[in-house]
Amino acid sequence: EVQLVESGGGLVQPGRSLTLSCTVSGSTFGDDAMAWLRQAPGKGLEWVGFIRSEAYGGTTQYAASVKGRFTISRDDSKSIAYLQMNSLKTEDTAVYYCSRLDFYFYYYMDVWGKGTTVTVSS
Amino acid sequence: DIVMTQSPVSLPVTPGEPASISCRSSQTLLHSNGYNYLDWYLQRPGQSPQLLIYMASKRASGVPDRFSGSGSGTDFTLKISRVEAEDVGVYYCTQALEIRTFGQGTRVE
Repeated sequence: EVQLVESGGGLVQPGRSLTLSCTVSGSTFGDDAMAWLRQAPGKGLEWVGFIRSEAYGGTTQYAASVKGRFTISRDDSKSIAYLQMNSLKTEDTAVYYCSRLDFYFYYYMDVWGKGTTVTVSS
Repeated sequence: DIVMTQSPVSLPVTPGEPASISCRSSQTLLHSNGYNYLDWYLQRPGQSPQLLIYMASKRASGVPDRFSGSGSGTDFTLKISRVEAEDVGVYYCTQALEIRTFGQGTRVE
């Protein structure tokens, strides 16, 4: 069974940085594309971005709201995907989910973690 | 951005009865390959989302066959043939044709 566990959330001041981790077990992590999504309190789901597997160049794509501030990376030797968040804003406050992406003509989120909470506040 | 609009926002249901959720996109999700780039997810209370349907009509592994997806282009529907208690939660449609966007959610209660 594939399992994803997010960690690294917490309280951070506006303008500061935070890095989230997503540890994956039960799958061949190196073959998987991985995504980050978020959900602000009481709101719906929002796409943050994703990273392809190294076989597909490990390239990334980001939502406009985080582009230039957030960076997704991966360490296949540890089966971990990262979300580095810089210049955090209060509107980045959310539960952050990582998800494994399956592919059938397009990427879709087939397994999700339980999420980690990020609160941006002074 | 492609705007996804779901209706209704809230849907009271009765166990054993059918239920239906509509999702409309601001532009066609029908790719030139003939597939619709649309998924449905369910977020049960206090849980993370789970995949129900991908490519508009393909049920994900382990999803009961009472769930079905249909539609093409800009209009899509998720149907539950007979609602069960475990089906309560918020349902989201999302498009994958461009950078992902989600509908606002439909709360089934």
